[in-house]
Amino acid sequence: DGGITQSPKYLFRKEGQNVTLSCEQNLNHDAMYWYRQDPGQGLRLIYYSQIVNDFQKGDIAEGYSVSREKKESFPLTVTSAQKNPTAFYLCASKQAGVWGTQYFGPGTRLLVL
Amino acid sequence: GNSVTQMEGPVTLSEEAFLTINCTYTATGYPSLFWYVQYPGEGLQLLLKATKADDKGSNKGFEATYRKETTSFHLEKGSVQVSDSAVYFCALSDQTGANNLFFGTGTRLTVIP
Repeated sequence: DGGITQSPKYLFRKEGQNVTLSCEQNLNHDAMYWYRQDPGQGLRLIYYSQIVNDFQKGDIAEGYSVSREKKESFPLTVTSAQKNPTAFYLCASKQAGVWGTQYFGPGTRLLVL
Repeated sequence: GNSVTQMEGPVTLSEEAFLTINCTYTATGYPSLFWYVQYPGEGLQLLLKATKADDKGSNKGFEATYRKETTSFHLEKGSVQVSDSAVYFCALSDQTGANNLFFGTGTRLTVIP
């Protein structure tokens, strides 16, 4: 089946630790996105990538890093510089072009120990 | 700039009641408009979309009409079911720049039997 997978479903981070969230898509989409969702709030854009080996910061990129070495993969690293990482993280992908629609993965919930 | 203002929740309705969730937007250019739905613990699913003025998006009994004159995209359903209980997000995608999504804060709907 075509779709977007995120792993793990739950992730625990210790103080000072970097953790990496996985996002994979087999939809052959060019663009991929990472969003953060906090309780009672909308989604905020962390990073996005419109093509392999290129990515741009979104509204809340501080404390996060990404890579885009393959078209189907867009991992997000939450670094120790992110002081409030507890949130629900959503990955999305979209076909190129202004008429494309973003499709979302099931999300990863990150908790701090 | 781009922004979406969404009716605050939570909204509680009895089964078979009529639903309206208001959404207004501010955008440069001519955006596409979307409604996404999020069930507990899951990612976002596209519910419906409209790409130009006067278009009506519809799916699963939900519908919304793109009103350029009032910059609105209100979500309606004639008869809600318990299974419609979820959080609903209005979003816009502008047709310039990176074509990213801008989300409202979400409206939680609870339908009681």
